[in-house]
Amino acid sequence: DAGVTQSPTHLIKTRGQQVTLRCSPKSGHDTVSWYQQALGQGPQFIFQYYEEEERQRGNFPDRFSGHQFPNYSSELNVNALLLGDSALYLCASSPTGQGGYTFGSGTRLTVV
Amino acid sequence: AQSVAQPEDQVNVAEGNPLTVKCTYSVSGNPYLFWYVQYPNRGLQFLLKYITGDNLVKGSYGFEAEFNKSQTSFHLKKPSALVSDSALYFCAVRDEEAAGNKLTFGGGTRVLVKP
Repeated sequence: DAGVTQSPTHLIKTRGQQVTLRCSPKSGHDTVSWYQQALGQGPQFIFQYYEEEERQRGNFPDRFSGHQFPNYSSELNVNALLLGDSALYLCASSPTGQGGYTFGSGTRLTVV
Repeated sequence: AQSVAQPEDQVNVAEGNPLTVKCTYSVSGNPYLFWYVQYPNRGLQFLLKYITGDNLVKGSYGFEAEFNKSQTSFHLKKPSALVSDSALYFCAVRDEEAAGNKLTFGGGTRVLVKP
């Protein structure tokens, strides 16, 4: 049973560019959340998608947007990249209810 | 608002000795509590969770955690640490009464187990 799959694993972008990160949730999970983990810090909640809609959002600017598809997979888009957007971006999936959260291995984004 | 505090940036312990990683939390309603471990350049690996029931929760790799409602704590413990337990540990909380089910993480505690 595959867990959470994220792609790509690493990428380097130039300041001002746009980036799209992808996530396939664990089988049976219908909710996808995205987290940003800066170096040396704990993950920070970006937003969560359920039934193809953004259900909850953290304290991130509108440059961060997302999408969830009918098969529950999700994308995270970041526009007008800043150097401070360099981080590990983690996707987590969970089933409806009290279920646990399964995290992917993350995408390491470096903005130069 | 929900929050988590991990008061120790780093914990050093000798192999074979008990390991404790501290966590305190704050939520409006009942807490759902989690511990995750992160190895270098990897994602978060689930260790254990408390939703309801027994205050002592047993998890993966010999780890356990004790939920203490009066002290709002959820400390992670392992009776006998291994060198391979050296990693970054995160405590996280979800507020049962909050809309959605986002997790709020602590800043992490680095564990170093010396041979």
